[in-house]
Amino acid sequence: AQSVTQPDIHITVSEGASLELRCNYSYGATPYLFWYVQSPGQGLQLLLKYFSGDTLVQGIKGFEAEFKRSQSSFNLRKPSVHWSDAAEYFCAVGAKEYGNKLVFGAGTILRVKS
Amino acid sequence: DSGVTQTPKHLITATGQRVTLRCSPRSGDLSVYWYQQSLDQGLQFLIQYYNGEERAKGNILERFSAQQFPDLHSELNLSSLELGDSALYFCASSVDSRVNEQFFGPGTRLTVL
Repeated sequence: AQSVTQPDIHITVSEGASLELRCNYSYGATPYLFWYVQSPGQGLQLLLKYFSGDTLVQGIKGFEAEFKRSQSSFNLRKPSVHWSDAAEYFCAVGAKEYGNKLVFGAGTILRVKS
Repeated sequence: DSGVTQTPKHLITATGQRVTLRCSPRSGDLSVYWYQQSLDQGLQFLIQYYNGEERAKGNILERFSAQQFPDLHSELNLSSLELGDSALYFCASSVDSRVNEQFFGPGTRLTVL
């Protein structure tokens, strides 16, 4: 079965610093990969997705993620964090073999200090 | 705004009761998904409907049921509620039945007292 691991429960970065949130997945073939962001009291907003092709994908709000098959990873990055980026970030994997549902990681809470 | 609407936003009820959560997908989307988010279980997939038919099931309790109507809106029915059912329930929609980006509604926060 699919599984997603986000090893960092909390991360704190200074405003203007770079950010990398880690995501590892367990799945035999090439999965469909997603990053979502959830602000307090809000629903989930899609940041970016990877289905195939170029392994570096660009998303909204200046985020990007890189798919590394050899490491089963799909890490999210941002070169310069803004205070408004403080939120919880979820990595998710989907696969048609598992009924097209999304399996989510436990999430990483990002705190931004000024 | 994702285009997915959910009502009500908050629901407070007692153990043993039954509630109905409602979801309207984005215009043109045929698939609706229900997820439960709780502190101990995280985000868990419950069930998927595509164009009115059940397509996939996750860890959905027998006390829970869902349906998708001809106008594509969906309802999640939760019965014989227990304290542990308190959670945030999300509806998401996507354009078809394949793996694809899902657009999430704002959620319904259910509190069972």
